[in-house]
Amino acid sequence: EIVMTQSPATLSVSPGDTATLSCRASQSVRSNLAWYQQKPGQAPRLLIFGASTRATGIPARFSGSGSGTDFTLTISSLQPEDFAVYYCQQYNNWPPLTFGGGTKVGIK
Amino acid sequence: EVQLVESGGGLVRPGGSLRLSCEASGFTLSSYGMNWVRQAPGKGLEWVSFISSASSYIYYADSVKGRFTISRDNAKNSLFLQMNSMRVEDTAVYYCARAPKYCAGDCYSDPFFDFWGQGTLVTVSS
Repeated sequence: EIVMTQSPATLSVSPGDTATLSCRASQSVRSNLAWYQQKPGQAPRLLIFGASTRATGIPARFSGSGSGTDFTLTISSLQPEDFAVYYCQQYNNWPPLTFGGGTKVGIK
Repeated sequence: EVQLVESGGGLVRPGGSLRLSCEASGFTLSSYGMNWVRQAPGKGLEWVSFISSASSYIYYADSVKGRFTISRDNAKNSLFLQMNSMRVEDTAVYYCARAPKYCAGDCYSDPFFDFWGQGTLVTVSS
C-alpha cells in the first residue's frame, strides 16, 4: 500500500498571501495524483488531477506540480473561500486508493 | 448537472447491517465507475470500494473486505453498499463518488473522484 504524507498538518496564512502544501508518496506514483478541497460540513471537491491539471471550474490561483514521490499544491493570492482542508490522493498503484492525512489552511 | 444523493445511513448496533444507496442524475451512470469513500468524525478520507461501469471489476479496502458488498443497478441509476458485521470503527460519513473516464479506443475509469455526493452518516454504537 502506498502511504501518502502531507505537510504541514496546519498552515496559517493571511488573505492575499500564497500557500504551499506538500504531499509525499512512499513510492513513485508518477503523475497519478489528485488534490481535493473540503470545507466544514461539505463533501470534498476535486481541484487537480494528473498532478497539475485543474479540474473544470477551478480558478487559476490553484496550481499543482511534481511527479514521482513529491508534489506541491500552491494557492496564490488566497481568498476567504480558500480556507479549508486539502487532501492529496494517489491513483497509480491500487487497490487501495490512498489519501494523505490532510492540510488545514487557516486564517492567520 | 451531475448529482449524487446518498441515503440509508443511521444508527446500527455492532454486528448489525445497513444498506446505503446513491442515486445518480445528470449523467449516464452506466458509463462510469463508482466508488464509496468514508470519513470518520474529525478524521481524513478513506477509500472503501470501487465498482466498474459494468460491474466487471470490484475492489475493496482491506478494512471492509468480506463484510461490505458494493453493487449497482444502472437501469435505476443507483449504486449500493451493503454493510454487514458492522464495527464501531465503521462509524463515518459515507460518500459516493464518481470516477471519471478516459477513452483511448476503449474507455477506462480514472481512479480519482470528480463528483461527490453530500454523504450519509452511519453510526455504529451499542
